[in-house]
Parts: sequence; C-alpha cells; structure tokens
Amino acid sequence: AQKVTQAQTEISVVEKEDVTLDCVYETRDTTYYLFWYKQPPSGELVFLIRRNSFDEQNEISGRYSWNFQKSTSSFNFTITASQVVDSAVYFCALSDTYFGNEKLTFGTGTRLTIIP
Amino acid sequence: GAGVSQSPSNKVTEKGKDVELRCDPISGHTALYWYRQSLGQGLEFLIYFQGNSAPDKSGLPSDRFSAERTGGSVSTLTIQRTQQEDSAVYLCASSLGEGGRKETQYFGPGTRLLVL
Repeated sequence: AQKVTQAQTEISVVEKEDVTLDCVYETRDTTYYLFWYKQPPSGELVFLIRRNSFDEQNEISGRYSWNFQKSTSSFNFTITASQVVDSAVYFCALSDTYFGNEKLTFGTGTRLTIIP
Repeated sequence: GAGVSQSPSNKVTEKGKDVELRCDPISGHTALYWYRQSLGQGLEFLIYFQGNSAPDKSGLPSDRFSAERTGGSVSTLTIQRTQQEDSAVYLCASSLGEGGRKETQYFGPGTRLLVL
C-alpha cells in the first residue's frame, strides 16, 4: 500500500529564513509520481510540482527547490528567503501507477507560518 | 482560462437530509476526481471518472455516497441521509486524462459541508 509521511505538523520561521518541509513516501511500484501542493487560507489546493520516479534531478523554481532522493524515499521541499505569503499548509502526495486512475495519496500536511 | 469550479461554497444541513455537491471541471479535462478533507482523516480519495469508463468508486466510505458525471463534464456528488461525520470539505479535481506525464490534477475551491 502507498503511504506518504509528513512528520512535521507545524513549522514557524521568521521571515527571510530558509525552511525545509520533509516528505517520506512508501510504494512498491517502480514507476510513480510525486507532487507538492500548497493550500493557503483560502482553501484551494495549488499545484506546485510533479516529479516522476525516473527523474532524480533536483528542481529549482525561484525561491522554491525540491530534493528527490530515491535511496531514502524522500521528496523534500525547501523555501529560501521565506515570505509571509508562503504561510500555508503544504501537502506532499504520491500517485497510483496503474494507468487510468492516478489518484493521489496525500500526507497529512505541514502547516507553515512565516512570522513577519 | 477557467479553473475547476464547485458549488455551493458552503452547505449547512441537518442530519438525515440529502445533499448534492457540484463540480465543473476544466474544459477539455476528461478525468475527474472527488476527494474529502476532514480533520480526522486528512485528504482522502473518494471516486474517479475517466471519459465513458465505469467510475472507480473504491474510495467511497459508504453506500450513502454516490456520484455521477453527465456528458463527460459536470459531476454531482450526492450524500444521502447525512451524518455528522460527513462534515468535511469536499474537493473536486480534474486532469487531462491522457495518462503518463501529463497527469497533474488541478483542484477546485471545495465545498465546505457542515451537518448539524
């Protein structure tokens, strides 16, 4: 069975600090997809990134970066120079691999608070 | 372009009543998902539609829950004889439905259901 663990329930950092959100996953499949979504106070889930299991290259998008390590089954998310607008709940998710239903298995989320 | 829309935004109902929640996916997306977000259970998959195929109902928690999708577009999630434990945010997502690398799910704003 698939499982996603986000051990950090809540994190608070002062604005401009860097922060890393951890995500550990479990799957028996060799082909899978990992995602991060952001859920701001408005409630809508905003897609941030999708990564497939064959691509272990780290990715950077502005202040956001992702570190995918298959050896430790982790897909961590780092925000550099954090801003108040980064305050949200962040979810890591794993997709089922059988074609036709890529339902997402979500972690429990990490609530990030950026203190001005 | 327009994203996924859901209605109503909020719904308050009395225990035992039936409710209908509506989802309008992104135009051109053939795959549609329903998820539920509750305090005790986190984000959990409910049901999946892909084109004209039979839906994957494996996530529905009980036979009080049903969903349909008319004309391959709009979907309605129906909860019969609502219970207090049905109180949650119901999220709809859609994706292109072509499988593989293109399958990122985009979420609507959700319907917040409160059963009194």
